[in-house]
Amino acid sequence: GAVVSQHPSRVICKSGTSVKIECRSLDFQATTMFWYRQFPKQSLMLMATSNEGSKATYEQGVEKDKFLINHASLTLSTLTVTSAHPEDSSFYICSEVKRGGVEQFFGPGTRLTVL
Amino acid sequence: KQEVTQIPAALSVPEGENLVLNCSFTDSAIYNLQWFRQDPGKGLTSLLLIQSSQREQTSGRLNASLDKSSGRSTLYIAASQPGDSATYLCAVSGAGSYQLTFGKGTKLSVIP
Repeated sequence: GAVVSQHPSRVICKSGTSVKIECRSLDFQATTMFWYRQFPKQSLMLMATSNEGSKATYEQGVEKDKFLINHASLTLSTLTVTSAHPEDSSFYICSEVKRGGVEQFFGPGTRLTVL
Repeated sequence: KQEVTQIPAALSVPEGENLVLNCSFTDSAIYNLQWFRQDPGKGLTSLLLIQSSQREQTSGRLNASLDKSSGRSTLYIAASQPGDSATYLCAVSGAGSYQLTFGKGTKLSVIP
């Protein structure tokens, strides 16, 4: 397998603040990264796809100005939830695809709670 | 639009039993299918990946089959153990795309 890390694992913030979540591939270069959101007892819903060096592609219904994605390098992608509200509370998971590969490797997830 | 359905939503079995989890998808034009395991509050662990040209994959006590034409996959777990308790997710990617569409999962409980 491959190792993908996310930081932080858990964050609690006040409504109106911005939160940045990092996703790193520790042992491979990732050409494509995905960000998912998972609400309780629901499956993963794709939010956006990002390729290194280009703008992210957002899924329908996901506000790109609210969920800022930066794929800064082949090993790092960040998701910033701007002006977070309680309804943004969710489990955010990233995944990455190795250069030349097809399998997605998932990070451990970040639990965001907005008060 | 691809839709993935997993049945049952929850399953409880005694330790040692063999079991089958089911996954169906509406669009048979898939690139690959993956089975994942998710423990509560954790990320996903990839269990098996089946390419569209393959019929099955095996890893230890796990065997996954794929019938692309009928839009079905099964995950067979042999000799279940309490440590197998988790939610099992099925996901498919479309032709020419890495994007995965997930089912809602089957929550498995293996009773000692």
